Amino acid sequence: DGGITQSPKYLFRKEGQNVTLSCEQNLNHDAMYWYRQDPGQGLRLIYYSQIVNDFQKGDIAEGYSVSREKKESFPLTVTSAQKNPTAFYLCASSLGLSLPQPQHFGDGTRLSIL
Amino acid sequence: GQQLNQSPQSMFIQEGEDVSMNCTSSSIFNTWLWYKQEPGEGPVLLIALYKAGELTSNGRLTAQFGITRKDSFLNISASIPSDVGIYFCAGQPDMDSNYQLIWGAGTKLIIKP
Repeated sequence: DGGITQSPKYLFRKEGQNVTLSCEQNLNHDAMYWYRQDPGQGLRLIYYSQIVNDFQKGDIAEGYSVSREKKESFPLTVTSAQKNPTAFYLCASSLGLSLPQPQHFGDGTRLSIL
Repeated sequence: GQQLNQSPQSMFIQEGEDVSMNCTSSSIFNTWLWYKQEPGEGPVLLIALYKAGELTSNGRLTAQFGITRKDSFLNISASIPSDVGIYFCAGQPDMDSNYQLIWGAGTKLIIKP
């Protein structure tokens, strides 16, 4: 089945540690996105990528980094510079950014501080 | 940044009741999307709207793209227990060259036992 796979489902971070969240899609979508969701709030865009080897900052990129070396993969690293990383992280993809396209989501990774 | 006003924030309803929620924006949008999110999962697309005035149904769900292009509503008829969850609207501003989605804060639907 085609879809978006995020792993792990749950992740714990120690102080000063970088952690990487995985996102893989087999939908052949060009565009991929990372969102952060806090309780009772909407989604906030961290980074997005229109095409391989290209990515752009979203509204809350500080303390995060991404790479897009392959079309199907868009990992997110939460660095030690992100002082409040506890949240639900969602990865999404869409056909492209050139036309209005719905985004399709993975099932998320919940990150907590130890 | 731009924001969408989604209301109500939460709804307590009886099974079988009809539900209505809406999103408004201060600027014109060219796309409206409605998603549903259940606990511990990612949002799932329910309905996509691309033209002003468009009215689209998906089973018991009906959504409309407002004529002014600044609002959209979602109706659920004859609610059932599996309708519980958080419903999000998302829109694409007309003049946004980055084609990013703007998200509402969600409407939490709770069905009274």
